[in-house]
Amino acid sequence: DTAVSQTPKYLVTQMGNDKSIKCEQNLGHDTMYWYKQDSKKFLKIMFSYNNKELIINETVPNRFSPKSPDKAHLNLHINSLELGDSAVYFCASSLTGTSDTEAFFGQGTRLTVV
Amino acid sequence: GENVEQHPSTLSVQEGDSAVIKCTYSDSASNYFPWYKQELGKGPQLIIDIRSNVGEKKDQRIAVTLNKTAKHFSLHITETQPEDSAVYFCAAGGGADGLTFGKGTHLIIQP
Repeated sequence: DTAVSQTPKYLVTQMGNDKSIKCEQNLGHDTMYWYKQDSKKFLKIMFSYNNKELIINETVPNRFSPKSPDKAHLNLHINSLELGDSAVYFCASSLTGTSDTEAFFGQGTRLTVV
Repeated sequence: GENVEQHPSTLSVQEGDSAVIKCTYSDSASNYFPWYKQELGKGPQLIIDIRSNVGEKKDQRIAVTLNKTAKHFSLHITETQPEDSAVYFCAAGGGADGLTFGKGTHLIIQP
C-alpha cells in the first residue's frame, strides 16, 4: 500500500513535447512537493503546495507548472521539454507545510529528453 | 538562505567498520535535521532525525549528533552491513527556506 505514488516511473520523450507526471498520496497530508534530482544526485525543491498556497522555487522555469485537482494529488506539467530537463523527479508529501516535519517521497520518475 | 554542506561525497568502508558523514548548515533558525537514505531506483526515505533541543539520538546501529553552536551535525553508522550501501542525504529545516538538502554521500560497504 504505497504512501506516495507517482507515474510513470520512466518517461522518454522528444525535445519540444509537453508531458505530465502524476502524483498521489494516501497519507492525508496537507502539503505536497516536487523535487528534481540531477545526474549528480543533487536534490532541489521545485514547488511546495497545500490547498491554500503555492510556493515556487524562483529558479524553476515557467515551463513547469504544478496542478492540484484535490488535496491528495499534485501533478507536474512540463511544456516545451528541453534536453536539460532530463533528471529524476520526485513527488513528496508532509503532514504540515512547515519544514520541520518528515517528508515522504515517491519512487521517482526518470525523465529522458532526446 | 540556508546552505547545507555535506562531506564526504563518497565513503568506502569495510563491512563491520563504522561510517561517519558530516554536515554543516548556515541558518541559525533551522531546528530540524533529518537524514535520508536513498537506495538505487528508489526515493529518499527518512532513517533518523534530530531536533535542536537534543544533542544526540540513537536508533540501533544509527546515531546522529548535533552541535547547534558550531552548526554541524553528523550521522554515525556502526557495524556496517552490505544493505547500508546507498546515498545518504542530510537536510536542515524549520528556517525560512524550507527543507534544504546536502549534496549526498555515496556510502559503499566493501565485503
